[in-house]
Amino acid sequence: DSGVTQTPKHLITATGQRVTLRCSPRSGDLSVYWYQQSLDQGLQFLIQYYNGEERAKGNILERFSAQQFPDLHSELNLSSLELGDSALYFCASSVSSGEQETQYFGPGTRLLVL
Amino acid sequence: GNSVTQMEGPVTLSEEAFLTINCTYTATGYPSLFWYVQYPGEGLQLLLKATKADDKGSNKGFEATYRKETTSFHLEKGSVQVSDSAVYFCALSVVPNTDKLIFGTGTRLQVFP
Repeated sequence: DSGVTQTPKHLITATGQRVTLRCSPRSGDLSVYWYQQSLDQGLQFLIQYYNGEERAKGNILERFSAQQFPDLHSELNLSSLELGDSALYFCASSVSSGEQETQYFGPGTRLLVL
Repeated sequence: GNSVTQMEGPVTLSEEAFLTINCTYTATGYPSLFWYVQYPGEGLQLLLKATKADDKGSNKGFEATYRKETTSFHLEKGSVQVSDSAVYFCALSVVPNTDKLIFGTGTRLQVFP
């Protein structure tokens, strides 16, 4: 158990809908990262927050957005969902921010768009 | 740009065989290197890491040495077990671009008794 929690574990929805994925980082961790794992794209970095502020952006679509709240939990919002958004979405956290920091991953949320 | 290349899988081995999974990288700057493991139906777990050249990361019998001259971070284990069956991801992180992790495509390891 990494100490990172993600809810829900599974999500099934229809095209055009909007969903929110939630992540609680390990106690004391200030950085939260979101990654998408799909069969065709592999594991891709989406976005990072550090202590409530956006720190870095990766291959995140404009239909997707995220935020980190004062209690440091984070939410990833996916809207106007398409079939191709079906994937496993991971959240990770680290104590601070830096290339030597270890990122601890949650169990993921599996999203299926029908 | 920064990238990671891993050997194609699946790698199929008998129990107690020697394991090598190759990983090479391209990076601007001085990356940290990681191996993560994903067991069936689970999230990613850090297996080991190395943050500078010639460092050796080790955990649970797995080892990898950060080789700057060959830009490699190959994963090895002397004697695999059935319970090691999983997907293994090599990854790097390099500042000042960002400290996001850049992953390889993953290598599936199947160990048979």
